[in-house]
Amino acid sequence: DTGVSQDPRHKITKRGQNVTFRCDPISEHNRLYWYRQTLGQGPEFLTYFQNEAQLEKSRLLSDRFSAERPKGSFSTLEIQRTEQGDSAMYLCASSPSVQGYNSPLHFGNGTRLTVT
Amino acid sequence: AQTVTQSQPEMSVQEAETVTLSCTYDTSESDYYLFWYKQPPSRQMILVIRQEAYKQQNATENRFSVNFQKAAKSFSLKISDSQLGDAAMYFCAYCHNAGKSTFGDGTTLTVKP
Repeated sequence: DTGVSQDPRHKITKRGQNVTFRCDPISEHNRLYWYRQTLGQGPEFLTYFQNEAQLEKSRLLSDRFSAERPKGSFSTLEIQRTEQGDSAMYLCASSPSVQGYNSPLHFGNGTRLTVT
Repeated sequence: AQTVTQSQPEMSVQEAETVTLSCTYDTSESDYYLFWYKQPPSRQMILVIRQEAYKQQNATENRFSVNFQKAAKSFSLKISDSQLGDAAMYFCAYCHNAGKSTFGDGTTLTVKP
């Protein structure tokens, strides 16, 4: 178990630029989640994949946000035309699929985005 | 929509003492899961303990235990014999299906030596 890996750890960008984050889940986990966390708040759900299929998206995920998991392994989260309100910690988590059971989430260290 | 409320933004405990963190949630579902996660400063979030709603017995993991009151929709975390390493932000989370988990806004726990 090498853990969930996220890259980069920190990203500073200017308003209007596009950014892309990567998440490598634990290898045997087929579920992958993206969350956003702002200071003093709990993680907010953005989207969820089972294998390569994106099964659920939050209303928080505006059309400037897109997530992919092309081969059911790593995932990318892209934010286009960034805004200052996008500044947050972006967390990736994974879990195994066990029928009829909700496995706990295994989180990465997150990518901290600062939009100037 | 499901909501999770942690009414204590900050708590403190003396080392070796016991502390209880509160969590309430709102749902119309009968089958779901509840979790407590710990997020140390600048470190990743990890699972502390989980509870299946269909189980009446409260979950226990070493010094950590829960008081699950399904009818009251309450899920508190008790930390016994608190240690300095327990200092962190603690999040209560609800999950109905394999999709999203809903998190509370967290309780920051300080452990005083």
